[in-house]
Amino acid sequence: DQQVKQNSPSLSVQEGRISILNCDYTNSMFDYFLWYKKYPAEGPTFLISISSIKDKNEDGRFTVFLNKSAKHLSLHIVPSQPGDSAVYFCAARPGTASKLTFGTGTRLQVTL
Amino acid sequence: DAGVIQSPRHEVTEMGQEVTLRCKPISGHNSLFWYRQTMMRGLELLIYFNNNVPIDDSGMPEDRFSAKMPNASFSTLKIQPSEPRDSAVYFCASSLDGWEKLFFGSGTQLSVL
Repeated sequence: DQQVKQNSPSLSVQEGRISILNCDYTNSMFDYFLWYKKYPAEGPTFLISISSIKDKNEDGRFTVFLNKSAKHLSLHIVPSQPGDSAVYFCAARPGTASKLTFGTGTRLQVTL
Repeated sequence: DAGVIQSPRHEVTEMGQEVTLRCKPISGHNSLFWYRQTMMRGLELLIYFNNNVPIDDSGMPEDRFSAKMPNASFSTLKIQPSEPRDSAVYFCASSLDGWEKLFFGSGTQLSVL
């Protein structure tokens, strides 16, 4: 049973526009959320995170929004660049000493 | 600095053969994780070691899978006998302490024919 769901397997966005990647979760105990980015033939790398005490966290072109009532988070990339083309994984955990659960990933393609 | 090092990068084997995947975590990290990536299930945790001790192996699919961490700088994941449904990318990751930020290796692409 997938506790972290990324329902869009792929997304295509034009360079310069906004990319929005979505993630839903079912476990109400999750209180820390992360996004990882993965290029082909490489392992995932940490991108940005958010604690459940916040509803937004920003790092340069990347912003993560958390809607706890809807059990939904999203990653916004503005402006999108060709180098952002990768697979993005959403992950969540219920506390700092607890298992990190990943979603199935969304493949983002940024076109020229 | 060297990251997490996995070998081999690719492994092609026949059903029934034994497969051993290797991992060298980042020096100084005390937690090590084995994940499997599939299209259907994304990244699944197989097993988690802390200070070389297996803490959570509930994700290990069945007795055909085993993992060891004989010292702080080396871990193996063994599949014996291998089956076609084991075909996936297997990632090793390490962290400074537990479930804080994980650093992943480049993965081993396993194909079982």
